Amino acid sequence: GENVEQHPSTLSVQEGDSAVIKCTYSDSASNYFPWYKQELGKGPQLIIDIRSNVGEKKDQRIAVTLNKTAKHFSLHITETQPEDSAVYFCAASIRKGNTPLVFGKGTRLSVIA
Amino acid sequence: DSGVTQTPKHLITATGQRVTLRCSPRSGDLSVYWYQQSLDQGLQFLIQYYNGEERAKGNILERFSAQQFPDLHSELNLSSLELGDSALYFCASSAGTGGDVYGYTFGSGTRLTVV
Repeated sequence: GENVEQHPSTLSVQEGDSAVIKCTYSDSASNYFPWYKQELGKGPQLIIDIRSNVGEKKDQRIAVTLNKTAKHFSLHITETQPEDSAVYFCAASIRKGNTPLVFGKGTRLSVIA
Repeated sequence: DSGVTQTPKHLITATGQRVTLRCSPRSGDLSVYWYQQSLDQGLQFLIQYYNGEERAKGNILERFSAQQFPDLHSELNLSSLELGDSALYFCASSAGTGGDVYGYTFGSGTRLTVV
């Protein structure tokens, strides 16, 4: 089955700097890659996703890139703000398959003011 | 409010006991997924239901079982509880037909503590 590795497990950045979180997946059939943000005491919330027919997607300060050949994808957050502090999870699955999302173990991002 | 409702929010129980966690999916969503979140294991998939039928199973222990009712709410039953079962249990729902993944909407979770 699919296996998703996520790095780093913790990340501290100064406010205004960029943060990058990287994930690799094992199943070449995976074609849907969402990112979730989990704030303290809450459930994970979808922040951006990308499908395998797209190499990059942006939404304001957040961008995700996908390299299908290398089987890795990354989350980029620019101009970080204290409210970006949270745990971020990457995930992968096969759309139009019967496979649930497989999550990475998460990255705890701390933005220092 | 995500639209996915989980009850109770917190649960403390003794080893050997049985508990039931409840989830109401977002309106219109037919798929319900259960995940277990422990400190060092991230989000582990347990089981998925679509419109009342089991669709996929993860590393769910035999002591655990689930079902989805005609009104689409789901219950996760955990029995013969052990200390290691202490975790956050999340329910998520999706608008997909069960074969497609559009992104999940998660509830706020049930924190289970086994003492």
